[in-house]
Amino acid sequence: AQTVTQSQPEMSVQEAETVTLSCTYDTSESDYYLFWYKQPPSRQMILVIRQEAYKQQNATENRFSVNFQKAAKSFSLKISDSQLGDAAMYFCAYRRSNFGNEKLTFGTGTRLTIIP
Amino acid sequence: GAVVSQHPSRVICKSGTSVKIECRSLDFQATTMFWYRQFPKQSLMLMATSNEGSKATYEQGVEKDKFLINHASLTLSTLTVTSAHPEDSSFYICSASADSRYGYTFGSGTRLTVV
Repeated sequence: AQTVTQSQPEMSVQEAETVTLSCTYDTSESDYYLFWYKQPPSRQMILVIRQEAYKQQNATENRFSVNFQKAAKSFSLKISDSQLGDAAMYFCAYRRSNFGNEKLTFGTGTRLTIIP
Repeated sequence: GAVVSQHPSRVICKSGTSVKIECRSLDFQATTMFWYRQFPKQSLMLMATSNEGSKATYEQGVEKDKFLINHASLTLSTLTVTSAHPEDSSFYICSASADSRYGYTFGSGTRLTVV
């Protein structure tokens, strides 16, 4: 079974600085998708970024980028120029590729605090 | 973009009664919807996968007779918590996808309090 591990329950960063959130996963599949979701205090889950395993190039979305190391099964999220609105729970998630609507497997989350 | 609407956002019910939560895909057809439960400061726990026109698939340990799921159309799935008890109090979230390769869209969640 696939598992997703987030080893940092809490992280904090000074506003405008850069922070990296860690995520590792375990799978025997060769093709899959990885996601980072953000859950602010409103508890609405918001997709931050996604990565297809077959792509070697790391995904980027504005201030958010990932470091995808397939061999190491690592998928970290880097947030640059941190803003107060980035404060939230961040969940790493894995999805088998195959076809159809596969379920997401979530990590335990990292609570990110932004220090003004 | 894809929008998933979930109602109600909050509900308080008496112990022993049933509560229905609706999840609608507003601008796309969702053959599959997922139902999650989230306890405070914890991750999302998948309860069941809802498939249009067929029976839901429940995760191990989830009581299918307590958490009834109906997915009667391509845009609507419902979760009914039957004979609710205080331990069923939690945050319930649904999700669906127009194209799951691009991630899933989540409803805004329902906070259920059973008194």
